[in-house]
Amino acid sequence: DTAVSQTPKYLVTQMGNDKSIKCEQNLGHDTMYWYKQDSKKFLKIMFSYNNKELIINETVPNRFSPKSPDKAHLNLHINSLELGDSAVYFCASSHNRGVEAFFGQGTRLTVV
Amino acid sequence: AQTVTQSQPEMSVQEAETVTLSCTYDTSENNYYLFWYKQPPSRQMILVIRQEAYKQQNATENRFSVNFQKAAKSFSLKISDSQLGDTAMYFCAFYGTASKLTFGTGTRLQVTL
Repeated sequence: DTAVSQTPKYLVTQMGNDKSIKCEQNLGHDTMYWYKQDSKKFLKIMFSYNNKELIINETVPNRFSPKSPDKAHLNLHINSLELGDSAVYFCASSHNRGVEAFFGQGTRLTVV
Repeated sequence: AQTVTQSQPEMSVQEAETVTLSCTYDTSENNYYLFWYKQPPSRQMILVIRQEAYKQQNATENRFSVNFQKAAKSFSLKISDSQLGDTAMYFCAFYGTASKLTFGTGTRLQVTL
């Protein structure tokens, strides 16, 4: 009964490919986030959705497109993958843009 | 924009000893929240402790406590009776009106025998 789950946990792919990471939460939260942790462990927000509406869209390349089919799911699709996209991507959720965010276990993306 | 600074990239402490991790932040907001997250090698982000800016009392969670100095914009984490399981990256984070977490660069803590 994982609260925030991401699939896959690990993803190795070649440059130029398109890939998706899925996130689901069973906490009944209505706000979901994507954070990126780079090779130096720096964490930065990418996107935030509240009730399926995009709230935060940081300066992220257009190749990254989040999609929220419902409040419990937030997927991240990445087109034309580049070496620099290699990172750990974390999904998180909170209640109504609430303060306390619950994180998934992260997806380690490696682009070769 | 808010910034969060952790000036100690790495720290080491012996088991059972006490260690303090530093964090400073910059904001013009008056109401906000501060957090310490722990990231062990499993990479799971675990909330250690939170502090509401409007509360003067420092937050405490078992062996973890903070020293929150609002005027100085300082938010340090004290870990007492350190255990091997405390070995992890520790991130300080700010949450304000932008409704997002802004993280510091992290401090890698190694607990040794």
